[in-house]
Amino acid sequence: DQQVKQNSPSLSVQEGRISILNCDYTNSMFDYFLWYKKYPAEGPTFLISISSIKDKNEDGRFTVFLNKSAKHLSLHIVPSQPGDSAVYFCAARGYGGATNKLIFGTGTLLAVQP
Amino acid sequence: SQTIHQWPATLVQPVGSPLSLECTVEGTSNPNLYWYRQAAGRGLQLLFYSVGIGQISSEVPQNLSASRPQDRQFILSSKKLLLSDSGFYLCAWRPGGGEAFFGQGTRLTVV
Repeated sequence: DQQVKQNSPSLSVQEGRISILNCDYTNSMFDYFLWYKKYPAEGPTFLISISSIKDKNEDGRFTVFLNKSAKHLSLHIVPSQPGDSAVYFCAARGYGGATNKLIFGTGTLLAVQP
Repeated sequence: SQTIHQWPATLVQPVGSPLSLECTVEGTSNPNLYWYRQAAGRGLQLLFYSVGIGQISSEVPQNLSASRPQDRQFILSSKKLLLSDSGFYLCAWRPGGGEAFFGQGTRLTVV
């Protein structure tokens, strides 16, 4: 049972354009969402997060949007750069804090073409 | 600052051989520790997590086990590896309920 889904396994965009990565979840008890970036043969690195009490969080070129009614979040990267090429994972945390697990999606491979 | 170490980086093991992957965290105490596996096309699957010494929770039935002999040490083991155990194994820690910080990972190939 995949509670966090990234339905697009890959995405290709031109340098300078916007990249939009999507993520859907099924559990309405998730209260905190995160995006990670992963290069091959490396561990994922944290990018940005959003609490369920917000609908938008911005950090430089990265913005995460949350639509709770649709159980959907997205990561916008503007402008996209070749160095952004990586696998992006969304993750969700269940209500309850410290010991609750992070559930990850299957990832989307982003390729930014120069 | 906190750092997480995971080794080895790559490992090739024959079917039926044992496995031991080690993860240590520096610069913090009583971290929540996690083992994830990234199998081809399957994202990051949570295998085990631990909230303290000797406390292990298993997420999925499998051929693997985990142990936490010390506060900042987390070990992933198997007595007899299967071909299906191949994958990229990641150790992670969380200081609280927020984001997780990952090690560099171990690429395990069972042949």
